[in-house]
Amino acid sequence: DGGITQSPKYLFRKEGQNVTLSCEQNLNHDAMYWYRQDPGQGLRLIYYSQIVNDFQKGDIAEGYSVSREKKESFPLTVTSAQKNPTAFYLCASSSIAGGTEAFFGQGTRLTVV
Amino acid sequence: GNSVTQMEGPVTLSEEAFLTINCTYTATGYPSLFWYVQYPGEGLQLLLKATKADDKGSNKGFEATYRKETTSFHLEKGSVQVSDSAVYFCALRSSGTSYGKLTFGQGTILTVHP
Repeated sequence: DGGITQSPKYLFRKEGQNVTLSCEQNLNHDAMYWYRQDPGQGLRLIYYSQIVNDFQKGDIAEGYSVSREKKESFPLTVTSAQKNPTAFYLCASSSIAGGTEAFFGQGTRLTVV
Repeated sequence: GNSVTQMEGPVTLSEEAFLTINCTYTATGYPSLFWYVQYPGEGLQLLLKATKADDKGSNKGFEATYRKETTSFHLEKGSVQVSDSAVYFCALRSSGTSYGKLTFGQGTILTVHP
C-alpha cells in the first residue's frame, strides 16, 4: 500500500543534542513538507521541498535543517539551536498538481528531557 | 499572505446534534479548500475538499461548500456520533507560487457525548 511513514513515533532528546526525524513516502509525490504542531496553535510549516536537492524555509525554520537527496525521503534535523523543540512533528507529501490534497504521516512526538 | 480562521473551540455536543464549524479564509487567486480530521496521537486525514467556487465536498455525512463571495468553507454534519470526536482543521492550498503549500487554521476540538 502506498503511504507516508514517519519514524520513530516517540523520540526523547537531551539538551544540546541534535536529533533527526525520518520521513519516507512511496506515493511518487514531488512535494514534501514538515509541520510542527503545538497545543492550540494548529500546524506551522517548518520546511518544504518540491524537487530533489531543493527546499525552502517555511514560517518557523530557525533551529531546524532538512535534506532532499532522494524523491521519497525528506528527513528533518532538530538542532540544539531550537530553543523549544518539544512538539508533535508531522510530515506530509503531495502532488504539485493544482487542487490535490496532502497526505500525512502518523507523526513523531519529540520530548526534550 | 494566505490565512485561515476557524471558529473558537472546543465544541461539545450530544450525540445526534447538528454540527457547524465555521471557516473563513484570505487568499489570492483561486485556492483549493480542505477539511482534515485528526484523532488523538495520529496524523491528519483528509475529510473532504473543494477545488472551485460553489463546489460541495462531502464524506461520511460531513459537507462543506466553497463560497467565494463570503470566502468561507463551513463544515456541517446533520447528526454527530461519539466517534466523530476529534480535532478538525480547515486548510487552503494556493493556486499560485510557493509550491502550493497548505495553510491551516488553528483547529477546532470536537467532543461528542452519548
